[in-house]
Amino acid sequence: AQRVTQPEKLLSVFKGAPVELKCNYSYSGSPELFWYVQYSRQRLQLLLRHISRESIKGFTADLNKGETSFHLKKPFAQEEDSAMYYCALSGRGGGFKTIFGAGTRLFVKA
Amino acid sequence: DAGVTQSPTHLIKTRGQHVTLRCSPISGHKSVSWYQQVLGQGPQFIFQYYEKEERGRGNFPDRFSARQFPNYSSELNVNALLLGDSALYLCASSFRDRYYEQYFGPGTRLTVT
Repeated sequence: AQRVTQPEKLLSVFKGAPVELKCNYSYSGSPELFWYVQYSRQRLQLLLRHISRESIKGFTADLNKGETSFHLKKPFAQEEDSAMYYCALSGRGGGFKTIFGAGTRLFVKA
Repeated sequence: DAGVTQSPTHLIKTRGQHVTLRCSPISGHKSVSWYQQVLGQGPQFIFQYYEKEERGRGNFPDRFSARQFPNYSSELNVNALLLGDSALYLCASSFRDRYYEQYFGPGTRLTVT
């Protein structure tokens, strides 16, 4: 079954602390992995995708096919990082579809 | 470009009624996807359309249907509404049908009473 699991509903860290948002997936094949972010009162927007292998706003994510994980990391959290983060995968399997995780709310405390 | 637009913003319907939600993609985007987001959950995939053809379908009953028009705008239709259909319905557009960044609209909040 195709599935994206984000085990933490809420993650609270202090400003300047490292942050890691966990994402595990289940998919038979080669999916494309994404992280989307939704800031307060804004639309859902793409943060980064694994195929780009880039760092956006200091965030990085590495696809680990062995552990089927795509964790999002940032070495020093900022208050403006507080938002809802969704991990998602896209791929074929009964037709092309995108599957989102339940999301993790990140709260960065001053 | 205003980005992806959706209408209406909010609506309230009664059980058993029918509803049509509308989405206009970003200019140049040929793919539209629909998602249902229930409070506390991530968006759940309903449909994807590309070049007016259905390319993907999620695990939703046949009461849900959609179509894409020649100008790439799209409609999502839900028949015989149930209380459980109350949710935020999101539309997203992308340049093509696969592996491209999706741009989301603000959503339509549907309440079924």
